[in-house]
Amino acid sequence: EDKVVQSPLSLVVHEGDTVTLNCSYEVTNFRSLLWYKQEKKAPTFLFMLTSSGIEKKSGRLSSILDKKELSSILNITATQTGDSAIYLCAVGGGADGLTFGKGTHLIIQP
Amino acid sequence: KAGVTQTPRYLIKTRGQQVTLSCSPISGHRSVSWYQQTPGQGLQFLFEYFSETQRNKGNFPGRFSGRQFSNSRSEMNVSTLELGDSALYLCASSFLLRTSTDTQYFGPGTRLTVL
Repeated sequence: EDKVVQSPLSLVVHEGDTVTLNCSYEVTNFRSLLWYKQEKKAPTFLFMLTSSGIEKKSGRLSSILDKKELSSILNITATQTGDSAIYLCAVGGGADGLTFGKGTHLIIQP
Repeated sequence: KAGVTQTPRYLIKTRGQQVTLSCSPISGHRSVSWYQQTPGQGLQFLFEYFSETQRNKGNFPGRFSGRQFSNSRSEMNVSTLELGDSALYLCASSFLLRTSTDTQYFGPGTRLTVL
Protein backbone atom coordinates (compact mmCIF):
# COMPACT_ATOMS: atom_id res chain seq x y z
CA GLU A 1 0.00 0.00 0.00
CA ASP A 2 1.32 3.42 -0.95
CA LYS A 3 2.25 5.64 1.98
CA VAL A 4 3.13 9.32 2.41
CA VAL A 5 4.37 10.63 5.76
CA GLN A 6 4.77 14.31 6.51
CA SER A 7 6.68 15.84 9.39
CA PRO A 8 6.33 17.67 11.58
CA LEU A 9 2.56 17.46 11.98
CA SER A 10 2.50 20.98 13.33
CA LEU A 11 4.99 23.80 13.61
CA VAL A 12 4.87 27.22 15.23
CA VAL A 13 7.50 29.79 14.27
CA HIS A 14 7.91 33.55 14.30
CA GLU A 15 7.59 35.82 11.32
CA GLY A 16 10.88 36.03 9.45
CA ASP A 17 12.00 32.52 10.34
CA THR A 18 12.85 29.89 7.75
CA VAL A 19 10.98 26.60 7.89
CA THR A 20 11.58 23.21 6.32
CA LEU A 21 8.72 20.77 5.89
CA ASN A 22 9.38 17.12 5.16
CA CYS A 23 7.62 14.50 3.10
CA SER A 24 8.70 10.89 2.74
CA TYR A 25 6.99 8.28 0.63
CA GLU A 26 6.74 4.65 -0.29
CA VAL A 27 4.93 4.12 -3.57
CA THR A 28 5.16 1.71 -6.43
CA ASN A 29 6.09 3.22 -9.79
CA PHE A 30 6.74 6.75 -8.56
CA ARG A 31 5.65 9.35 -11.08
CA SER A 32 5.45 12.72 -9.31
CA LEU A 33 5.36 14.50 -5.95
CA LEU A 34 3.07 17.47 -5.42
CA TRP A 35 2.91 20.15 -2.74
CA TYR A 36 -0.25 22.06 -1.86
CA LYS A 37 -1.13 24.87 0.55
CA GLN A 38 -4.54 24.80 2.19
CA GLU A 39 -6.07 27.57 4.24
CA LYS A 40 -9.76 27.62 5.02
CA LYS A 41 -10.80 26.78 1.50
CA ALA A 42 -9.74 24.53 -1.36
CA PRO A 43 -6.03 23.66 -1.68
CA THR A 44 -3.72 25.77 -3.77
CA PHE A 45 -1.21 23.94 -5.95
CA LEU A 46 2.40 24.89 -5.20
CA PHE A 47 4.78 22.57 -7.05
CA MET A 48 5.00 19.31 -8.90
CA LEU A 49 8.32 17.49 -8.87
CA THR A 50 9.18 14.64 -11.19
CA SER A 51 12.25 12.69 -12.18
CA SER A 52 12.97 15.32 -14.81
CA GLY A 53 12.25 18.25 -12.52
CA ILE A 54 13.57 17.65 -9.05
CA GLU A 55 13.91 21.24 -7.88
CA LYS A 56 11.39 24.06 -8.04
CA LYS A 57 11.43 27.60 -6.72
CA SER A 58 8.84 30.31 -6.57
CA GLY A 59 9.57 33.43 -4.58
CA ARG A 60 10.23 32.48 -0.98
CA LEU A 61 9.15 28.88 -1.51
CA SER A 62 11.36 26.13 -2.86
CA SER A 63 11.20 22.38 -2.98
CA ILE A 64 13.62 19.57 -3.72
CA LEU A 65 12.94 15.94 -4.53
CA ASP A 66 15.43 13.32 -3.35
CA LYS A 67 14.58 10.16 -5.27
CA LYS A 68 17.36 8.23 -3.57
CA GLU A 69 15.99 9.00 -0.10
CA LEU A 70 12.36 8.85 -1.29
CA SER A 71 11.63 12.22 0.20
CA SER A 72 11.07 15.87 -0.49
CA ILE A 73 11.42 19.09 1.45
CA LEU A 74 9.52 22.32 1.15
CA ASN A 75 11.41 25.40 2.31
CA ILE A 76 9.82 28.71 3.12
CA THR A 77 12.19 31.59 3.84
CA ALA A 78 11.37 34.90 5.53
CA THR A 79 8.01 33.56 6.64
CA GLN A 80 4.99 35.84 6.85
CA THR A 81 1.70 35.44 8.73
CA GLY A 82 0.04 34.75 5.39
CA ASP A 83 2.09 31.56 5.13
CA SER A 84 0.06 30.07 7.98
CA ALA A 85 -1.75 27.09 6.50
CA ILE A 86 -1.76 23.34 6.20
CA TYR A 87 0.85 22.14 3.71
CA LEU A 88 -0.02 18.91 1.97
CA CYS A 89 2.28 16.54 0.14
CA ALA A 90 0.93 14.01 -2.36
CA VAL A 91 2.69 11.39 -4.41
CA GLY A 92 1.50 10.08 -7.75
CA GLY A 93 2.27 6.60 -8.96
CA GLY A 94 1.10 3.06 -8.69
CA ALA A 95 -2.46 1.95 -9.13
CA ASP A 96 -4.09 4.32 -6.68
CA GLY A 97 -3.38 7.63 -8.34
CA LEU A 98 -2.41 10.24 -5.78
CA THR A 99 -1.70 9.42 -2.14
CA PHE A 100 -1.81 12.32 0.31
CA GLY A 101 0.03 12.80 3.57
CA LYS A 102 -1.80 14.11 6.63
CA GLY A 103 -0.27 17.55 6.22
CA THR A 104 1.87 19.91 8.29
CA HIS A 105 -0.04 22.61 10.12
CA LEU A 106 2.20 25.69 10.02
CA ILE A 107 1.48 28.67 12.24
CA ILE A 108 3.45 31.88 11.81
CA GLN A 109 3.31 34.17 14.83
CA PRO A 110 3.82 37.90 14.33
CA LYS B 1 -9.35 33.19 -17.64
CA ALA B 2 -12.24 31.63 -15.73
CA GLY B 3 -11.32 29.26 -12.93
CA VAL B 4 -12.56 25.79 -12.15
CA THR B 5 -16.25 25.80 -11.38
CA GLN B 6 -18.18 23.21 -9.44
CA THR B 7 -21.90 22.82 -9.09
CA PRO B 8 -23.75 22.67 -6.87
CA ARG B 9 -21.80 24.27 -4.05
CA TYR B 10 -23.93 22.72 -1.32
CA LEU B 11 -26.10 19.63 -1.32
CA ILE B 12 -28.14 17.83 1.28
CA LYS B 13 -29.26 14.28 0.59
CA THR B 14 -30.59 11.36 2.60
CA ARG B 15 -29.13 7.89 2.94
CA GLY B 16 -29.78 5.65 -0.03
CA GLN B 17 -30.15 8.46 -2.53
CA GLN B 18 -27.71 9.15 -5.32
CA VAL B 19 -26.00 12.38 -6.25
CA THR B 20 -24.23 13.83 -9.29
CA LEU B 21 -21.64 16.57 -8.96
CA SER B 22 -20.34 18.61 -11.86
CA CYS B 23 -16.97 20.19 -12.59
CA SER B 24 -16.01 22.52 -15.42
CA PRO B 25 -12.23 22.76 -15.81
CA ILE B 26 -10.23 25.73 -16.96
CA SER B 27 -10.46 26.15 -20.71
CA GLY B 28 -7.82 24.06 -22.46
CA HIS B 29 -7.22 21.75 -19.51
CA ARG B 30 -7.70 18.08 -20.27
CA SER B 31 -7.00 16.48 -16.91
CA VAL B 32 -9.69 16.56 -14.24
CA SER B 33 -9.16 15.00 -10.84
CA TRP B 34 -11.65 14.46 -8.04
CA TYR B 35 -10.88 14.40 -4.31
CA GLN B 36 -12.82 13.81 -1.13
CA GLN B 37 -11.92 15.78 1.97
CA THR B 38 -13.14 14.92 5.46
CA PRO B 39 -11.87 15.98 8.88
CA GLY B 40 -11.00 12.39 9.79
CA GLN B 41 -9.38 11.12 6.60
CA GLY B 42 -8.00 14.34 5.18
CA LEU B 43 -7.72 14.71 1.42
CA GLN B 44 -8.18 11.51 -0.57
CA PHE B 45 -7.89 10.95 -4.28
CA LEU B 46 -10.97 9.61 -6.03
CA PHE B 47 -10.10 9.48 -9.73
CA GLU B 48 -8.53 11.34 -12.61
CA TYR B 49 -9.87 11.71 -16.12
CA PHE B 50 -7.89 12.69 -19.17
CA SER B 51 -9.40 13.04 -22.63
CA GLU B 52 -12.58 11.24 -21.58
CA THR B 53 -10.69 8.26 -20.13
CA GLN B 54 -10.25 7.38 -16.50
CA ARG B 55 -6.51 7.44 -16.06
CA ASN B 56 -6.27 6.65 -12.34
CA LYS B 57 -8.61 5.56 -9.62
CA GLY B 58 -8.26 5.80 -5.87
CA ASN B 59 -9.30 3.26 -3.29
CA PHE B 60 -13.02 3.96 -3.13
CA PRO B 61 -15.97 1.58 -3.52
CA GLY B 62 -17.74 1.14 -6.82
CA ARG B 63 -20.55 3.44 -5.63
CA PHE B 64 -18.25 6.27 -6.64
CA SER B 65 -18.01 6.74 -10.37
CA GLY B 66 -17.23 9.49 -12.80
CA ARG B 67 -16.98 10.44 -16.40
CA GLN B 68 -15.55 13.13 -18.60
CA PHE B 69 -17.12 14.63 -21.67
CA SER B 70 -15.51 15.69 -24.91
CA ASN B 71 -15.39 19.31 -23.70
CA SER B 72 -13.42 18.11 -20.63
CA ARG B 73 -16.28 18.81 -18.24
CA SER B 74 -16.55 16.05 -15.69
CA GLU B 75 -19.19 14.60 -13.44
CA MET B 76 -18.92 12.31 -10.49
CA ASN B 77 -21.74 10.19 -9.19
CA VAL B 78 -22.23 8.58 -5.81
CA SER B 79 -24.98 6.00 -5.57
CA THR B 80 -26.64 4.60 -2.47
CA LEU B 81 -25.36 7.39 -0.26
CA GLU B 82 -24.08 6.59 3.23
CA LEU B 83 -23.62 8.93 6.17
CA GLY B 84 -19.87 8.60 5.77
CA ASP B 85 -20.05 10.12 2.31
CA SER B 86 -20.63 13.54 3.89
CA ALA B 87 -17.59 15.51 2.79
CA LEU B 88 -16.21 18.31 0.70
CA TYR B 89 -15.74 17.06 -2.87
CA LEU B 90 -13.06 18.91 -4.74
CA CYS B 91 -12.33 18.95 -8.42
CA ALA B 92 -9.03 20.09 -9.89
CA SER B 93 -7.98 20.67 -13.47
CA SER B 94 -4.63 20.62 -15.17
CA PHE B 95 -3.35 20.62 -18.72
CA LEU B 96 -1.59 17.27 -18.43
CA LEU B 97 -0.72 16.67 -14.75
CA ARG B 98 2.31 14.74 -15.93
CA THR B 99 5.22 17.20 -16.18
CA SER B 100 7.07 19.33 -13.67
CA THR B 101 5.97 22.46 -15.51
CA ASP B 102 2.33 21.56 -15.02
CA THR B 103 0.06 23.26 -12.54
CA GLN B 104 -3.23 22.20 -11.07
CA TYR B 105 -6.14 24.41 -10.09
CA PHE B 106 -8.85 23.51 -7.62
CA GLY B 107 -12.48 24.46 -7.72
CA PRO B 108 -14.29 25.73 -4.62
CA GLY B 109 -15.74 22.29 -3.88
CA THR B 110 -19.19 20.85 -3.32
CA ARG B 111 -20.17 20.37 0.31
CA LEU B 112 -22.29 17.21 0.49
CA THR B 113 -24.23 16.42 3.65
CA VAL B 114 -25.93 13.04 3.94
CA LEU B 115 -28.67 12.79 6.57
